[in-house]
This record gives sequence, C-alpha cells and structure tokens, in this order.
Amino acid sequence: EDKVVQSPLSLVVHEGDTVTLNCSYEVTNFRSLLWYKQEKKAPTFLFMLTSSGIEKKSGRLSSILDKKELFSILNITATQTGDSAVYLCAAVINTNAGKSTFGDGTTLTVKP
Amino acid sequence: EADIYQTPRYLVIGTGKKITLECSQTMGHDKMYWYQQDPGMELHLIHYSYGVNSTEKGDLSSESTVSRIRTEHFPLTLESARPSHTSQYLCAIGDKFTDTQYFGPGTRLTVL
Repeated sequence: EDKVVQSPLSLVVHEGDTVTLNCSYEVTNFRSLLWYKQEKKAPTFLFMLTSSGIEKKSGRLSSILDKKELFSILNITATQTGDSAVYLCAAVINTNAGKSTFGDGTTLTVKP
Repeated sequence: EADIYQTPRYLVIGTGKKITLECSQTMGHDKMYWYQQDPGMELHLIHYSYGVNSTEKGDLSSESTVSRIRTEHFPLTLESARPSHTSQYLCAIGDKFTDTQYFGPGTRLTVL
C-alpha cells in the first residue's frame, strides 16, 4: 500500500525562525513528489521534484528530494505570519493519470 | 495555471437526497481528480479520469459515482446522501506536461 508520512504533524514558531518540514514516502513506481500549501480552502502548488539532490527554490521556500532515502524536505527561512498553513506532500506514481497519494500534512503556525 | 470551477461552493441537504457536485475546467486538460477531505485531515482520492469516457475509483472507497462525457466536465454524484458524506470535496486538474495538480475552490457538503 502506498504511503506518505509527514513530520512533524504540527509546528509553532515565531516570525523570523527557519523551519524544516519532512516528508517520507513508500510508493510503487514513484515518479515525482509535490509540495502544496493549504490555507483555508484548496491546496496551492509549491514545488514538483523529480530528481535527487536538485534544490528547487522560490523566495524563502526551498525543497529537495532524496530518491535513495525516499524523502523530501521543505525549508522556509525568515518565516512570516502569512506562512501559517497546512503544508501537504504528495507522491505521484507513474501511470497515465498520475495518481497522487497525500500525506497528513504539517500544520505550521507562525506567531508574531 | 488553469481555471477550474466547482459548484455549489456550499450545500446543506437532507438525508436520502440525490446530489451532483459540478467540476468544470476551460483548458482542455485530460486528467481530473476528485478528493475528499475532512477538516484537519488528509486528502483522499476518490475518483479520477484521464480522458473522456475513462474513469477510475481512487484509494478511498466511496459511494459516489462520476462521469466524463466531455473533457470540460467531471461531475460527482451521490445517489442517496447520508450524514457520513459530510465533508469537503475538492476537484483538481492535472497539468498536461507535469504532475502538478491545480485544485478548485472545493464544495463543502453537509448532510443533515
């Protein structure tokens, strides 16, 4: 059974802190890993990772994939209150439809 | 990015009613997905499609059905709603060239 595990489940930090969110996966026929940010409503796309060791970066957010150890991390530096959200990780399997298995998410709360 | 629409956004309905949740997109994407998400919980894939007349059940057993008669529409139907169907239903489309999924705003369903 395909499985994606995220840790920690929740995290409370203060503005300016740096956080690292973890995602490990066990899926058959892995193709890619995606990170999403979910605030009140629907998830919004952050990163797609397909190759090991290549960092993707967008502003204060960055992410990297390790296909040998089957995990990914999402880093957020200089956190702001607007970063408060649930961060979801999803592993995509190699099929026509690109089915995704999502983790439970990490709830990040950034306090002023 | 792609435009994806879900209606209704909120629905409160009595037990036993038949309901159809609409999902539509304007960009001609082949891949579409329905997820169910309870508050604070992970996304569960309930149905997906990778083109007209192709639909598959997802990982979470669901009493709902879907159809894909046209590329633009992927409606989800519950023949007889029950309180256990109370949840948020998210529709997503898959990018044509990557595994990125773009989510609609969701339908929050409450069955009394």
